[in-house]
Amino acid sequence: KQEVTQIPAALSVPEGENLVLNCSFTDSAIYNLQWFRQDPGKGLTSLLLIQSSQREQTSGRLNASLDKSSGRSTLYIAASQPGDSATYLCAVTPTGTASKLTFGTGTRLQVTL
Amino acid sequence: KAGVTQTPRYLIKTRGQQVTLSCSPISGHRSVSWYQQTPGQGLQFLFEYFSETQRNKGNFPGRFSGRQFSNSRSEMNVSTLELGDSALYLCASSLEAGLGGADTQYFGPGTRLTVL
Repeated sequence: KQEVTQIPAALSVPEGENLVLNCSFTDSAIYNLQWFRQDPGKGLTSLLLIQSSQREQTSGRLNASLDKSSGRSTLYIAASQPGDSATYLCAVTPTGTASKLTFGTGTRLQVTL
Repeated sequence: KAGVTQTPRYLIKTRGQQVTLSCSPISGHRSVSWYQQTPGQGLQFLFEYFSETQRNKGNFPGRFSGRQFSNSRSEMNVSTLELGDSALYLCASSLEAGLGGADTQYFGPGTRLTVL
């Protein structure tokens, strides 16, 4: 059974700092990995999707990497802003069932002024 | 393009009742998935529908069921509600999930169900 872990569970950083969020998964047979953000009481917003054959994806200040063999992904956020405050979730989809996401427990990020 | 919409946004029910939640995917998306989010269990996959057929199913009891219509809109039904069913129910749509190629899932705002 696939298990996805995110460390740390919560993180507080001052504005402008660069930061890294970690995601690890136990079964390397994945179809893709996605990073989402969730604001309190809201739905999920997709940030980046990395296919199993890719090593990284970038969007603006965000960069996500994937090391499938070691079961790890990182989300790098450059020059953090208060608007980045949210819960960040990673999710993997198993090979052959691309729509069945297994989510991590999330990292709650707070960026302070 | 309109995003994924879910109705209603909030529901309060009592134990033993049943409830139906609705999800309208992004236009052109054929896959709709449902997830349950609770503080204790996090986000858990319920089921996925594609072209009106259930294609994947999570580990939930038979009280949880769903269907998809020809226009890709989906409904989820929970019968004989229990206190533990209180959760945020999220649906997600994607263009061609499972047919090859990476597919981003787009989530709706969710329906907050409270069971008293």
